[in-house]
Amino acid sequence: SQQGEEDPQALSIQEGENATMNCSYKTSINNLQWYRQNSGRGLVHLILIRSNEREKHSGRLRVTLDTSKKSSSLLITASRAADTASYFCATDNSGYSTLTFGKGTMLLVSP
Amino acid sequence: DTEVTQTPKHLVMGMTNKKSLKCEQHMGHRAMYWYKQKAKKPPELMFVYSYEKLSINESVPSRFSPECPNSSLLNLHLHALQPEDSALYLCASSQANGQRPNEQFFGPGTRLTVL
Repeated sequence: SQQGEEDPQALSIQEGENATMNCSYKTSINNLQWYRQNSGRGLVHLILIRSNEREKHSGRLRVTLDTSKKSSSLLITASRAADTASYFCATDNSGYSTLTFGKGTMLLVSP
Repeated sequence: DTEVTQTPKHLVMGMTNKKSLKCEQHMGHRAMYWYKQKAKKPPELMFVYSYEKLSINESVPSRFSPECPNSSLLNLHLHALQPEDSALYLCASSQANGQRPNEQFFGPGTRLTVL
């Protein structure tokens, strides 16, 4: 079953603006991962945050994790048109060996 | 080589056809996955192979038959599919099922249309 829930479902911004996407989940996790998918293509792994971490950075990406609220956020700073894609969170759940993907956020960055 | 390749990119088949999707990785990963993805939906896990053995079958209909000939290859054999099986089929691999971190590397997918 899909336990990750992203919001918003869709986000439209201008180039240069920041984009924030949120993910909530229900069970305890080992780590949470964010993936990007360009239209009709495979998913690309962006960043992984472990359950004992609170914040992680990678280039223009900033991920936070609040295990008490069972939520995570992905911030993309200074967005570019090339960031236009769907973004999925995926949880690596304690006791399981597979990822559970959220419903995704479609991000549109206009020039 | 950090790439997962999938062939074909596109496939159109009739409901009586038999076809196969292929996936290959050379990263030494010992876990491989098949996902099905409908438009504007997240990927849905179908099968997991761990050390060339089927470890998870998410109650997938028998018209989908996976095969893992060796640690680098993963096939999905298709037979008597239905139009509702039309979707993007994604292959992925990771270091080993159960080992963490388990980030997955995805192929570009096969766009399947069943007529």
